[in-house]
Amino acid sequence: EPEVTQTPSHQVTQMGQEVILRCVPISNHLYFYWYRQILGQKVEFLVSFYNNEISEKSEIFDDQFSVERPDGSNFTLKIRSTKLEDSAMYFCASSRTGIDTEAFFGQGTRLTVV
Amino acid sequence: AQTVTQSQPEMSVQEAETVTLSCTYDTSENNYYLFWYKQPPSRQMILVIRQEAYKQQNATENRFSVNFQKAAKSFSLKISDSQLGDTAMYFCAFMNFYGGATNKLIFGTGTLLAVQP
Repeated sequence: EPEVTQTPSHQVTQMGQEVILRCVPISNHLYFYWYRQILGQKVEFLVSFYNNEISEKSEIFDDQFSVERPDGSNFTLKIRSTKLEDSAMYFCASSRTGIDTEAFFGQGTRLTVV
Repeated sequence: AQTVTQSQPEMSVQEAETVTLSCTYDTSENNYYLFWYKQPPSRQMILVIRQEAYKQQNATENRFSVNFQKAAKSFSLKISDSQLGDTAMYFCAFMNFYGGATNKLIFGTGTLLAVQP
């Protein structure tokens, strides 16, 4: 069964460093999302992406964040200069269409900023 | 802004028993979807069940059913005949339906369900 895959599963980085979280969505899906969950808090929407551009972003998704679909299969989230408060589990998701409401999630990347 | 509240951080149930997980939400919209997602330990979130707000009939999927009370903005999940494999974090989620490109989910904080043998 097709699934969304995320790498790495756990990343430790020093404060101020850039990190790139990678996701491979399901191949025939067109809509892509990033969510994050700070330990003990809600899963929060970060950004949605369609047709090679951001379709919506939350107030969390500031200039430190960017997303890209560099090669037609990967979907990446870049954090330019990590802060301690960026430590969280980051989930990638994809859906087939905009009106197809089921989103398929990856296992998540646990980002620890030290 | 929409919010989703899950007031039970943890629950426990004996195998083969029935358990109900609570969820309330707040919205001024009339058309929306509600979901329960399950996240087993170290696995990805998977969709358990969804409910369209315009449907009065409660959704069911095998052992999983919901009690959707639109006026009360309540959306509880009932798991019948609980199995060990039901042990997971359960997230309630809300989505506005406006048919646009973005169908973002708004999640609750989750309920950790442990099924005991």
